[in-house]
Amino acid sequence: NFMLTQPHSVSESPGKTVTISCTRSSGSIASNYVQWYQQRPGSAPTTVIYEDNQRPSGVPDRFSGSIDSSSNSASLTISGLKTEDEADYYCQSYDSSMGYVFGTGTKVTVL
Amino acid sequence: QVQLQESGPGLVKPSETLSLTCTVSGYSISSGYYWGWIRQPPGKGLEWIGSIYHSGSTYYNPSLKSRVTISVDTSKNQFSLKLSSVTAADTAVYYCARNIAANWFDPWGQGTLVTVSS
Repeated sequence: NFMLTQPHSVSESPGKTVTISCTRSSGSIASNYVQWYQQRPGSAPTTVIYEDNQRPSGVPDRFSGSIDSSSNSASLTISGLKTEDEADYYCQSYDSSMGYVFGTGTKVTVL
Repeated sequence: QVQLQESGPGLVKPSETLSLTCTVSGYSISSGYYWGWIRQPPGKGLEWIGSIYHSGSTYYNPSLKSRVTISVDTSKNQFSLKLSSVTAADTAVYYCARNIAANWFDPWGQGTLVTVSS
């Protein structure tokens, strides 16, 4: 079994860059793809990154994803931060024994 | 454009069975993909419940497996969730979503709040 742990919250000013980490507790982060979802208050999640670093059509290139095997973590980076980016963000991966696992979630505040 | 819509009772009594249906439009379930259910307790994170293929093949979250049944009705382009023996801990917003490439969920329905209370 494994967990995906994210920082509870991050905050930054408009125009700046934030990076959210997603650390896998056991097993390799590279063993299954990582996705990232954005959830604005009162709304359903939407995908901002899939398969580690792919952006769905319509998602601006300010959003990027990466994997770091040395820290066994995935990261979501949002550059040129906008007020509309203020939301909760969840990472998600898969394991053959557990199924789909979501991260603990990170609240992004744009100051 | 694929759209999903959850429907079902918003209030369920403890020990009873929660039943929800997801209606898919803009895509035929019979054409492929897995279809999943995810829930989110108020103020908390996301939890995957289970997924089903159009053929009826299912897989469930091990922590909920004993209480969950997911079924599909391709003639109505719907899939359904049943969660038995509910408690207050099952109070959550329940989402249905398309499950792509056994990796990710997109799009999601708008979600429906189910409260377990007597």
